Amino acid sequence: DGGITQSPKYLFRKEGQNVTLSCEQNLNHDAMYWYRQDPGQGLRLIYYSQIVNDFQKGDIAEGYSVSREKKESFPLTVTSAQKNPTAFYLCASSTGTGGEEQYFGPGTRLTVT
Amino acid sequence: GQNIDQPTEMTATEGAIVQINCTYQTSGFNGLFWYQQHAGEAPTFLSYNVLDGLEEKGRFSSFLSRSKGYSYLLLKELQMKDSASYLCATKGAGSYQLTFGKGTKLSVIP
Repeated sequence: DGGITQSPKYLFRKEGQNVTLSCEQNLNHDAMYWYRQDPGQGLRLIYYSQIVNDFQKGDIAEGYSVSREKKESFPLTVTSAQKNPTAFYLCASSTGTGGEEQYFGPGTRLTVT
Repeated sequence: GQNIDQPTEMTATEGAIVQINCTYQTSGFNGLFWYQQHAGEAPTFLSYNVLDGLEEKGRFSSFLSRSKGYSYLLLKELQMKDSASYLCATKGAGSYQLTFGKGTKLSVIP
């Protein structure tokens, strides 16, 4: 079955620690995205990548970093510089040709205390 | 930039019809998406409109008026499983990015 996987579903970290969230897709999609969702808020774009070895900042990139070394993988690192990291993080992918839907992974709920 | 406005919450009765509105203001526009999201789960794609008019897909229909910056999602024959948040999102011209509204939480009651 093709799809997007994110692991783990729940993640707990202490303040001051960096943490990396994984996102893998086997849909052969060129474009991948990371969103953050807070209660009562819409999805906000953190980073996106249209092609391997290239990525662009979204609306709220500060305190986050990404890499795109393989087409299938787009990990997100939440650094200690992110002021309010507790949130629901969603990864998505699309074919990258424009105008098409984005497919979402199941999400990772990160709690930092 | 793009500003998207949709009602925060709505309640409707099982078997009824409900219309969820979305208005947007954008400097460039290349389509509008509707997603369904159950609590704690990933959003799933419902519809995509880029031209004016109504797109029907089973119990769900989506309408777009580009000149008015307005869309709605129409859900017919409501079922309890339709209780979810419905997200409106726009895509800018020449962009891969989607801008999401805050979502409308729909509660279907017996």
